[in-house]
Amino acid sequence: KQEVTQIPAALSVPEGENLVLNCSFTDSAIYNLQWFRQDPGKGLTSLLLIQSSQREQTSGRLNASLDKSSGRSTLYIAASQPGDSATYLCAACNQAGTALIFGKGTTLSVSS
Amino acid sequence: GAVVSQHPSWVICKSGTSVKIECRSLDFQATTMFWYRQFPKQSLMLMATSNEGSKATYEQGVEKDKFLINHASLTLSTLTVTSAHPEDSSFYICSALMEQETQYFGPGTRLLVL
Repeated sequence: KQEVTQIPAALSVPEGENLVLNCSFTDSAIYNLQWFRQDPGKGLTSLLLIQSSQREQTSGRLNASLDKSSGRSTLYIAASQPGDSATYLCAACNQAGTALIFGKGTTLSVSS
Repeated sequence: GAVVSQHPSWVICKSGTSVKIECRSLDFQATTMFWYRQFPKQSLMLMATSNEGSKATYEQGVEKDKFLINHASLTLSTLTVTSAHPEDSSFYICSALMEQETQYFGPGTRLLVL
């Protein structure tokens, strides 16, 4: 059974810092992996999706990597801003067309 | 991009009442929709998979008679929480599967049962 773990659970950094959020999954036979952002009391915003054949994806200041063999993914945020403060969720999809398995998230706070 | 809506976004009800939540794919057809639940400080957990024209598939531990799912059309799935109790208070999020490939999430429905 696939399990997704995110470390750390919470992270506080000053504005401008580069940071890395970690995600690990127990079953390396994934179809894809996705990173989401969730603001308090809100729904999900999809940030990046990495297919199993890919190693990384980039969007603006965000870069997500995928290492299936080690069961790990990282989300790199460059030059963090207060507006980046949110909870970041990692989710694995084991097969096309199936539900996502989510981690508990990392709550990021960026202070100005 | 594809849009999924949920209605209502907020609902407060008395214990014992039933609450219906709608999930709509606005600009695409979805034969499959998923219902997730998120308790405070917890992750999203899959409750059930909703398939158009057939019975939903429930995850272990989710009572099918309490959480009724109807996927009557290719753009609409409904989740009815029957005889809601305070422990059902949660954030319910649906997602719709486009072309059996990409999931698009609704904005969620926050349920508070008094």
